[in-house]
Amino acid sequence: EDQVTQSPEALRLQEGESSSLNCSYTVSGLRGLFWYRQDPGKGPEFLFTLYSAGEEKEKERLKATLTKKESFLHITAPKPEDSATYLCAVPWTTDSWGKLQFGAGTQVVVTP
Amino acid sequence: DAGITQSPRYKITETGRQVTLMCHQTWSHSYMFWYRQDLGHGLRLIYYSAAADITDKGEVPDGYVVSRSKTENFPLTLESATRSQTSVYFCASSAWGASYEQYFGPGTRLTVT
Repeated sequence: EDQVTQSPEALRLQEGESSSLNCSYTVSGLRGLFWYRQDPGKGPEFLFTLYSAGEEKEKERLKATLTKKESFLHITAPKPEDSATYLCAVPWTTDSWGKLQFGAGTQVVVTP
Repeated sequence: DAGITQSPRYKITETGRQVTLMCHQTWSHSYMFWYRQDLGHGLRLIYYSAAADITDKGEVPDGYVVSRSKTENFPLTLESATRSQTSVYFCASSAWGASYEQYFGPGTRLTVT
């Protein structure tokens, strides 16, 4: 069964303390990996798309990378406004465009 | 205003009642989705639609009905609500050719008593 596993479940950082989140997947024939950010009480917000191993995408203090088995979301010198739950997702292996399987997320808290 | 909206934002209903959650988007996106989010399960796909009058089941469709007669609307109906359907429901939409880059609504918090 296809699985998406995120670790750690929760991460508490001091402002400026860089760290990485992990998303591992077991789907075969990966057709992309997607990162979303979710603030408390709100819907997820799309961040990145990664399609092939070695690919990297950056946005402000966030950088997402992809290998054949996992993806990392690096947070460099985080600020309190980076506090959120970060979700990764992969497409279903059946040929059904748009269907995503989400991981449980990593809750990040950045303290001043 | 452009975007994706959901109504109501909060709903309390009793077991056995029918409930309809509304979703409206103004981008003319082809794809629309309904998810539920529960502690311990994360986001799970209930139903999705690739275009008007085209819908398909997701991971957890039992007890739910959808319709899509117009591109911009995608209502979700709980035919006979159960306590296990207490959850936060999110609607999302995405454009043709970018189906996985989904834009989410603010959510509806549903409590079934």
